[in-house]
Amino acid sequence: GESVGLHLPTLSVQEGDNSIINCAYSNSASDYFIWYKQESGKGPQFIIDIRSNMDKRQGQRVTVLLNKTVKHLSLQIAATQPGDSAVYFCAEKGADSNYQLIWGAGTKLIIKP
Amino acid sequence: DTGVSQDPRHKITKRGQNVTFRCDPISEHNRLYWYRQTLGQGPEFLTYFQNEAQLEKSRLLSDRFSAERPKGSFSTLEIQRTEQRDSAMYRCASSLMAGGPTYEQYFGPGTRLTVT
Repeated sequence: GESVGLHLPTLSVQEGDNSIINCAYSNSASDYFIWYKQESGKGPQFIIDIRSNMDKRQGQRVTVLLNKTVKHLSLQIAATQPGDSAVYFCAEKGADSNYQLIWGAGTKLIIKP
Repeated sequence: DTGVSQDPRHKITKRGQNVTFRCDPISEHNRLYWYRQTLGQGPEFLTYFQNEAQLEKSRLLSDRFSAERPKGSFSTLEIQRTEQRDSAMYRCASSLMAGGPTYEQYFGPGTRLTVT
């Protein structure tokens, strides 16, 4: 069935370095992808999204890359800060839906001082 | 605070009891979603409303679960005859109707249910 998953459950990064969080998806018909950040005790918060007709999208300190050939999504965080510590989720939306996001398991990002 | 709010934040109940949770979405949002989330996992879709109409309900959702959004504003999620496996964080999210470039959903703080 459809699934979205993350390669690594935990990622430790030195403060100031760049972080790369990866996500694999299985539904080649998905047309929209989104990254959320969830801090401890809080609900998920939107980071950045990308449509399937794009390969790359940049935000403030974050970049999302989409490789449709291998059905892979990544989130790059530049100059990682302590406030980036959180669990990161990717989610996808199938082309046949106009609302439902399918979520994968999270990756916990740990920032080392 | 104009974000999504949920009440209560925590609920402890005994197995077999009924519980009801409330969600107040962002006021101009006409879409409302209920999710269940367990530790380390992404939110699991439960049901979705567009205005007052419940348009989708997860096949995984037991008949013990019911949700309403009577006036197209706040919503309630009721779990009848709770079981220990119902223990989880129940999150509500809201969004504007699609038509723009984003399907971003805004999440509330959640209601943590513990069934003893």
